[in-house]
Amino acid sequence: GAVVSQHPSRVICKSGTSVKIECRSLDFQATTMFWYRQFPKQSLMLMATSNEGSKATYEQGVEKDKFLINHASLTLSTLTVTSAHPEDSSFYICSAHRVGTEAFFGQGTRLTVV
Amino acid sequence: TQLLEQSPQFLSIQEGENLTVYCNSSSVFSSLQWYRQEPGEGPVLLVTVVTGGEVKKLKRLTFQFGDARKDSSLHITAAQPGDTGLYLCAGGQAGTALIFGKGTTLSVSS
Repeated sequence: GAVVSQHPSRVICKSGTSVKIECRSLDFQATTMFWYRQFPKQSLMLMATSNEGSKATYEQGVEKDKFLINHASLTLSTLTVTSAHPEDSSFYICSAHRVGTEAFFGQGTRLTVV
Repeated sequence: TQLLEQSPQFLSIQEGENLTVYCNSSSVFSSLQWYRQEPGEGPVLLVTVVTGGEVKKLKRLTFQFGDARKDSSLHITAAQPGDTGLYLCAGGQAGTALIFGKGTTLSVSS
């Protein structure tokens, strides 16, 4: 089946630093990828839509200058959390659609900001 | 704004019991997916339903898509501890982000 790989799976960083999370579609091309944030025992909250070759579309309330998204190729999207603060600690998940609406998710990244 | 109402939000049952999770919306979806997620991992696709009235079975799991493509249900027969996890329904239109229900946290104890 389709595979989406997300890296790293866990990261701990100091307040004020930046962290980059990568999302790769391994066996298909994805012109669109999606980034979600998830709090414990809650559902996924869409943060932004990453479009290959163009600017990302951010959901209301998501700071685009804080969560930088780059989708430079058809198989790679990156999310950079800039000037991270403890409240940015969360589980971040990316997804890509192979055909139609069927989405495949990365393994997720547990970010802890200390 | 499209919304998916998923219920119940939490479910704690004994091994061997049956359960049903519901996902309802006022909007029509071109397809609806069910995912299962374990702590610290990404959601894993269980099934996609696309046709109104469609019923799909995956071992002890039965998925149904409503005739009007606005609602869906997941029924688990004879639940086992290994079924424990977060179950998510998600609806979508082609090329757009999925809309997720709030999820159902299922705990099956032996």
